[in-house]
Amino acid sequence: GDQVEQSPSALSLHEGTGSALRCNFTTTMRAVQWFQQNSRGSLINLFYLASGTKENGRLKSTFNSKESYSTLHIRDAQLEDSGTYFCAAEGVDTNAYKVIFGKGTHLHVLP
Amino acid sequence: EAAVTQSPRSKVAVTGGKVTLSCHQTNNHDYMYWYRQDTGHGLRLIHYSYVADSTEKGDIPDGYKASRPSQENFSLILELASLSQTAVYFCASSDTGGGAETLYFGSGTRLTVL
Repeated sequence: GDQVEQSPSALSLHEGTGSALRCNFTTTMRAVQWFQQNSRGSLINLFYLASGTKENGRLKSTFNSKESYSTLHIRDAQLEDSGTYFCAAEGVDTNAYKVIFGKGTHLHVLP
Repeated sequence: EAAVTQSPRSKVAVTGGKVTLSCHQTNNHDYMYWYRQDTGHGLRLIHYSYVADSTEKGDIPDGYKASRPSQENFSLILELASLSQTAVYFCASSDTGGGAETLYFGSGTRLTVL
């Protein structure tokens, strides 16, 4: 099975509301990255975490290595937040280059 | 701000033809990567390199070659393009590849093989 499982696969939010995206890992990961792929297809770095929680504006991410999950919280969603969100994790037992991507969450923010 | 540029932005190739995708980074990063993106699969690593004149296989290297002639440049080569290689290709770079650096992506190349 997939080592990085993202949920939900798709999500619709009205402007001003919020939600959480989640990645579950089937093996121990030492770090996680979150990316947004925007409408032009560009991949934008959001967070890199080796542990704990980081916050940037309306986004907050948490990585819990022991419990094998990471979350990305979006609050006060805006139309420009629409896109696909990917998490990518680094395995403990693999070379550092080996970043494993989830299949993404397609977020649609509605007016 | 990290800068990774890919060319071309899109390309149509014929089956059996040779395709070269180029990537240039101005970040002074050691590591460079080629990923492909297919609907429903996220991104998968094809080849990577941590030093000039050396490349390594990623998770799905079959049908692809890579070339790293300098620290700044990393190419992906499809010697005999096939229909199954239609995808969006992303180049990325990172400073050390040592787990403390995020990936910086180019804008992608959309390849269609007919």
